[in-house]
Parts: sequence; C-alpha cells; structure tokens
Amino acid sequence: DTGVSQDPRHKITKRGQNVTFRCDPISEHNRLYWYRQTLGQGPEFLTYFQNEAQLEKSRLLSDRFSAERPKGSFSTLEIQRTEQGDSAMYLCASSPRGGRTNNEQFFGPGTRLTVL
Amino acid sequence: AQKITQTQPGMFVQEKEAVTLDCTYDTSDPSYGLFWYKQPSSGEMIFLIYQGSYDQQNATEGRYSLNFQKARKSANLVISASQLGDSAMYFCAMREASYGGSQGNLIFGKGTKLSVKP
Repeated sequence: DTGVSQDPRHKITKRGQNVTFRCDPISEHNRLYWYRQTLGQGPEFLTYFQNEAQLEKSRLLSDRFSAERPKGSFSTLEIQRTEQGDSAMYLCASSPRGGRTNNEQFFGPGTRLTVL
Repeated sequence: AQKITQTQPGMFVQEKEAVTLDCTYDTSDPSYGLFWYKQPSSGEMIFLIYQGSYDQQNATEGRYSLNFQKARKSANLVISASQLGDSAMYFCAMREASYGGSQGNLIFGKGTKLSVKP
C-alpha cells in the first residue's frame, strides 16, 4: 500500500496524559498537512510542512500541540496535557510539489482520539 | 467569516438517478482552487474532483462533474447515475493562492451526507 498511513488508528487516553500520533506520507510527497475533524464538521487545518520545515500553523494549534517532521519524511503530532475538547479525528494529508491540481491532497485514514 | 457553505446537511437520492450537492464559497483572492472530497464511514477523505478559478470549462471526472458558476461563487457537485456505494459525507473545500512561499491549506465546508436508496 503506497498511500498515506497513520498510526495509531484509535487512541483512548485519560485527561492530562500526553499522546503522540504518527503520519507516513506518500514517499515522493514533500508537503504534509495535519487537520482536525470534530463530529459533524469538516476538517480544520492545523499545520503544514514543506520537507522538514513547518511553514504554517493555525491558531487552533495551541501551545499544548507540537508537530515535527525531522527528516522531511514521516511526521509526528504530540498533544500534551490532553483535554476532553481534544477528542477528534486527526487527519494527515500529503501532496506532491506541483502536480495536476497544484494542491491535490491525499489523506490518510486518520487517528481517532478519545479523551476521557 | 465562513468561507465554504454547504447548506444541505443531508440528501437522499434514488439509485441510478443524478444528484446535485450545493457549495458556495467566499474569497477575495482571484486565484483559488475548489475541491470535492468524499468521506465514507471508514473516515478516509477521498479526492473526487478539482476546479481552478481560471479554468474555462467545468471539471469532469467519470460520474462526477462540477458546476462552476464563478459570478455566483458556487461550485456544485453533480453525481450522475448514483450507486449505493456513493452513500457518504461529501465535503467541498477551497484553496486560496499561496503567499510567502507557503502552500495554501484547504478550507472545508461542514459537509453533506448523501444517502442512496435502492
């Protein structure tokens, strides 16, 4: 399977704990995005990487959230001191430089986080 | 300000019939792109179709077509010959032009749940 993969698919944690999610983009894609999707809503942008550089961060990305893409390949999203409001689906997407649509994003299956 | 508006929370369509899902958008950027994604119950977002703001013709991809009316700022998705497997959430999204070397992220609407009846 050469699509975007995310791990874990599901995570249940207690409030106050830290969690980390991983995203492996399509191998030749240099752009990587994180989105959050809550129930009944469309995905909301969190942050964007071009290679290893984090170039955009949404106001949704509070200081409890940190994302990295150390070697320009996989990325991690960490949430510290989780809160119940963090419960959501966390989606990762990647896109190639250029491309037919110039920004067609390929999404992974998501990580569903539940904070108890 | 809401950038993407999908006014239909849910839609029903009979199998083999066509259905139109509405999307309106708001931007002052002359260069933008419009996307439609399908999200089945499994959760993965599946790209369906793309329309660039400068494209002269409406985009088509198999059974999907995009009715792009620039002056009205609408980008409705038309699905022809609906199939049971088309039952899913459908999201309209917009990418505005990038600035400062960064690539614009996607802005999504709230989605429309399509149910195809046998």
